Amino acid sequence: DAGVTQSPTHLIKTRGQQVTLRCSPKSGHDTVSWYQQALGQGPQFIFQYYEEEERQRGNFPDRFSGHQFPNYSSELNVNALLLGDSALYLCASSWTVGRGAQGYTFGSGTRLTVV
Amino acid sequence: KQEVTQIPAALSVPEGENLVLNCSFTDSAIYNLQWFRQDPGKGLTSLLLIQSSQREQTSGRLNASLDKSSGRSTLYIAASQPGDSATYLCAGDRGSTLGRLYFGRGTQLTVWP
Repeated sequence: DAGVTQSPTHLIKTRGQQVTLRCSPKSGHDTVSWYQQALGQGPQFIFQYYEEEERQRGNFPDRFSGHQFPNYSSELNVNALLLGDSALYLCASSWTVGRGAQGYTFGSGTRLTVV
Repeated sequence: KQEVTQIPAALSVPEGENLVLNCSFTDSAIYNLQWFRQDPGKGLTSLLLIQSSQREQTSGRLNASLDKSSGRSTLYIAASQPGDSATYLCAGDRGSTLGRLYFGRGTQLTVWP
């Protein structure tokens, strides 16, 4: 059973460009969350998708947007890239039960470098 | 605002020692708590999940506990091995916020032979 799959694994972009990162959740999971992890820091929550809608968002600007597809896979888009967007982007999937999501499974991440 | 503190920030020990890693939340209303391991440049591997109705979980040489009244969790690692070297992260959610995880900065563990 495949876990969470993220692509690409590494990416180098120039300031001002746009980037799309992709995530396929673990089988049976219906919720996808995205996190940004700067070097030496803990992951920071970007947003969460459930039933193809963004249901919660962290403190990130509108340059960060996302989408969830009917098969639960998800994309993270970042426009007008800044040097400070360089980080490891992690996708996490989970299933939603009752009050909230349970048991997160993380992918290996996409390392984005902005030059 | 939920803030998570992990102590110590770094730990270097000889093989065989029993270890204690600590995690505390400024808001003690933690619903589920999860401990993760992260190897350099890699994603997160889930170690233990303490669900809302639980207070403790064990897996092999790992044991994690959660005191909801104080918002504190402890990860015990027994008989440490060089392969345990990694960064250990704790993360909690608050249920009512639909599962957003709040992470600490991690404890960087080095176990030397």
